[in-house]
Amino acid sequence: DTGVSQDPRHKITKRGQNVTFRCDPISEHNRLYWYRQTLGQGPEFLTYFQNEAQLEKSRLLSDRFSAERPKGSFSTLEIQRTEQGDSAMYLCASSLGLAGVSSETQYFGPGTRLLVL
Amino acid sequence: GESVGLHLPTLSVQEGDNSIINCAYSNSASDYFIWYKQESGKGPQFIIDIRSNMDKRQGQRVTVLLNKTVKHLSLQIAATQPGDSAVYFCAENNAGNMLTFGGGTRLMVKP
Repeated sequence: DTGVSQDPRHKITKRGQNVTFRCDPISEHNRLYWYRQTLGQGPEFLTYFQNEAQLEKSRLLSDRFSAERPKGSFSTLEIQRTEQGDSAMYLCASSLGLAGVSSETQYFGPGTRLLVL
Repeated sequence: GESVGLHLPTLSVQEGDNSIINCAYSNSASDYFIWYKQESGKGPQFIIDIRSNMDKRQGQRVTVLLNKTVKHLSLQIAATQPGDSAVYFCAENNAGNMLTFGGGTRLMVKP
């Protein structure tokens, strides 16, 4: 399977614990995105990387959230001191950004479903 | 703020009929629009896209129509099948590279 992969698929944690999610984008995709989706809603943008550079961050990304893409390939999203309100599906997407093209298709992974007790 | 929304939260159609899912957007600067299909427990799956310099694009059994005058987007699915049952999202993309999604429409196909 050459699509976007995410690990783990499910995570249950207790309030106050730290969690880390991993995303492996489609090979050679230079752009990587993180979104959060709550039940019955559309995904909401969190942050975006071009190669290893984090270029945009949403106001939803509080200081408890940090994302990295150290080598421009896989990315991690860490949530520190989790709260019950963090319970959601965390989606990763990737795209191939080309010079001169303003927007391109984002392909999503299966998501990591987080439940904070 | 700018947002993308959908008119109908649930659409129920008979197998074999055509389906039309509508979406209104408010950001006139958006230049790219995408329809995604999301099945339970899965990530959004790309269906079809359209750029703002077009008003219609066709794929396999799907057609997207864009009316920039009234800021309206629609997804037409021909000969709807049970496997089409899912939640459908429209999303808009402006120069910021982030997608703004609407709340979704659930399509239910009756056999």
